[in-house]
Amino acid sequence: AQKITQTQPGMFVQEKEAVTLDCTYDTSDQSYGLFWYKQPSSGEMIFLIYQGSYDEQNATEGRYSLNFQKARKSANLVISASQLGDSAMYFCAMSPFSGGYQKVTFGIGTKLQVIP
Amino acid sequence: NAGVTQTPKFQVLKTGQSMTLQCAQDMNHNSMYWYRQDPGMGLRLIYYSASEGTTDKGEVPNGYNVSRLNKREFSLRLESAAPSQTSVYFCASSERRTGGLADTQYFGPGTRLTVL
Repeated sequence: AQKITQTQPGMFVQEKEAVTLDCTYDTSDQSYGLFWYKQPSSGEMIFLIYQGSYDEQNATEGRYSLNFQKARKSANLVISASQLGDSAMYFCAMSPFSGGYQKVTFGIGTKLQVIP
Repeated sequence: NAGVTQTPKFQVLKTGQSMTLQCAQDMNHNSMYWYRQDPGMGLRLIYYSASEGTTDKGEVPNGYNVSRLNKREFSLRLESAAPSQTSVYFCASSERRTGGLADTQYFGPGTRLTVL
């Protein structure tokens, strides 16, 4: 069984500062993918970034990077140079690699508020 | 390219009423999903469809039925709505990432359902 833990229900960050959102996971699978999604107040779920368990380098997408520490089973999201539009809920998720359906497990989310 | 669309955006039902939530995607994805999102619980999978003509139960299927009408469309039906089904419902579709290891899910805007 897979489990995602996000221990920060809410975070504040000053505009233009960097912020790290924590995510730890538990799985017995050797091969898996890790994802982060953003959910602004408008409600839609927006895919941000992906990391494969075999990827040696941390994933980056613009101002987003994923700090992947496999031995610690952590996949923290780092947002650099925070903007007011970054205020949203952020969800960490994972899925095993398989040939067919891949069950995605989501965490309960972290609410980020960017302060001007 | 609209991505994943859902109708309606909002709905209020009385206990015992039925309704169908519609979902369509124009990204030619094989897999489609229905989730519900409740406060403090993240996203929970209701049903999924790995390909046209197939559907399978997810984590919380009781009280719901689905139809994969064709490759584009995947509908969710509540036969006899209950207050416990008050939630935000998301449809998603997924594609296998380049390299063939993990699927990335793309979400619709959600349907906010209230059952009185």
